[in-house]
Amino acid sequence: EVLLVESGGDLVQPGGSLRLSCAASGFIFSSSWMSWVRQAPGKGLEWVASIKQDGGEKYYVDSVKGRFAISRDNAKSSLYLQMNSLGAEDTAVYYCATVYGAAWYYFDSWGQGTLVTVSS
Amino acid sequence: DIQMTQSPSSLSASVGDRVTITCRASQIISSYLNWYQQKPGKAPKLLIYAASTLQSGVPSRFSGARSGTDFSLTISSLQPEDFATYYCQQSYDKWTFGQGTKVEIK
Repeated sequence: EVLLVESGGDLVQPGGSLRLSCAASGFIFSSSWMSWVRQAPGKGLEWVASIKQDGGEKYYVDSVKGRFAISRDNAKSSLYLQMNSLGAEDTAVYYCATVYGAAWYYFDSWGQGTLVTVSS
Repeated sequence: DIQMTQSPSSLSASVGDRVTITCRASQIISSYLNWYQQKPGKAPKLLIYAASTLQSGVPSRFSGARSGTDFSLTISSLQPEDFATYYCQQSYDKWTFGQGTKVEIK
């Protein structure tokens, strides 16, 4: 069974930084694209970033380019999201998800999410 | 960037009703369209991928269709557990979600 467990969410001041982690198990992590998706309180889903199996391709939504960095450690079956220059608009639950990359690129498994709150 | 316009934003329906949610892409995305269900406080769940392929374990009352850049999700007979928010997502060029459709009890 696929299990994704996010951690690292916290209350952080505007302009601050935070690193999220996602521990994966139950599948071959090194064979899977991975993504981060966020959801602001009471709002819809927003794709944030994705990374290819070997880390050689990374994609970001425009609103986080230059501030966020997605990375992975296949030896540890872990996904990361380094978030810098945080603003109130980054307040959200952040989910990690597996991406079926053989075709169609849908998000087939999700973690339970970790809450990031940006406030002074 | 590809925009996804989902409608309606909410709807009220009764158990047993047939419900259809639509999603329009701002450009051609072939069949790179996926549907998710999300219940309050829970992570989204994949229902349909490639516009019309049912994910394993999803009840057959859910179906998806494509007509050009217009896509639809239909629930043939709404069940109590189907009251939730539904999102479309394009995966043709990076990823974009629709705004969501909240299905409420009438």
